Amino acid sequence: QKEVEQNSGPLSVPEGAIASLNCTYSDRGSQSFFWYRQYSGKSPELIMFIYSNGDKEDGRFTAQLNKASQYVSLLIRDSQPSDSATYLCAVNSGTSGSRLTFGEGTQLTVNP
Amino acid sequence: DVKVTQSSRYLVKRTGEKVFLECVQDMDHENMFWYRQDPGLGLRLIYFSYDVKMKEKGDIPEGYSVSREKKERFSLILESASTNQTSMYLCASSFGLAGAFGQYFGPGTRLTVT
Repeated sequence: QKEVEQNSGPLSVPEGAIASLNCTYSDRGSQSFFWYRQYSGKSPELIMFIYSNGDKEDGRFTAQLNKASQYVSLLIRDSQPSDSATYLCAVNSGTSGSRLTFGEGTQLTVNP
Repeated sequence: DVKVTQSSRYLVKRTGEKVFLECVQDMDHENMFWYRQDPGLGLRLIYFSYDVKMKEKGDIPEGYSVSREKKERFSLILESASTNQTSMYLCASSFGLAGAFGQYFGPGTRLTVT
């Protein structure tokens, strides 16, 4: 089992829809959870982080964390073509110092 | 804003050459990281450093070494470049010991070894 798994994608949604990106992790002691956006040919950009169970909202983005189910998700409301990118989930176990474990990413396409 | 810069966006080297990739961050971050990213393999950690002159092996250190002589600068060295080291190399930095604040990436260096 991979330490961090993401829905394989690619995911395609129409403009204006809600895009839902999912991530599960294996280390029950994980403390911090991050979502990165990576445009084609560019480097990853940190867009959200969450530490506590529940929802965290930032503009059109909502991160959701459920530690009991070892599940973290990213919702993008009112999806725009500019949201088309690969989204990487990253997890810090709390025992690995500042190392992050990354998922392989989910490619999202928002169709106009 | 955090700024992480890398010395080159694109680099072409020959097999057997010694290659230096430089990374500089301007936010006084303690931690610096080198990754490579390949299609289907995701981000893989090569080396990281928590402080000046300190280094730790990541998941794929073979064929690489690093140097951190100053806090803001972290260099990745390919001792004898090989074609299987053709990849996108990404540097990142972060602050704090517990990784609670995420990592910030540079623009990447696309290295081709011929």
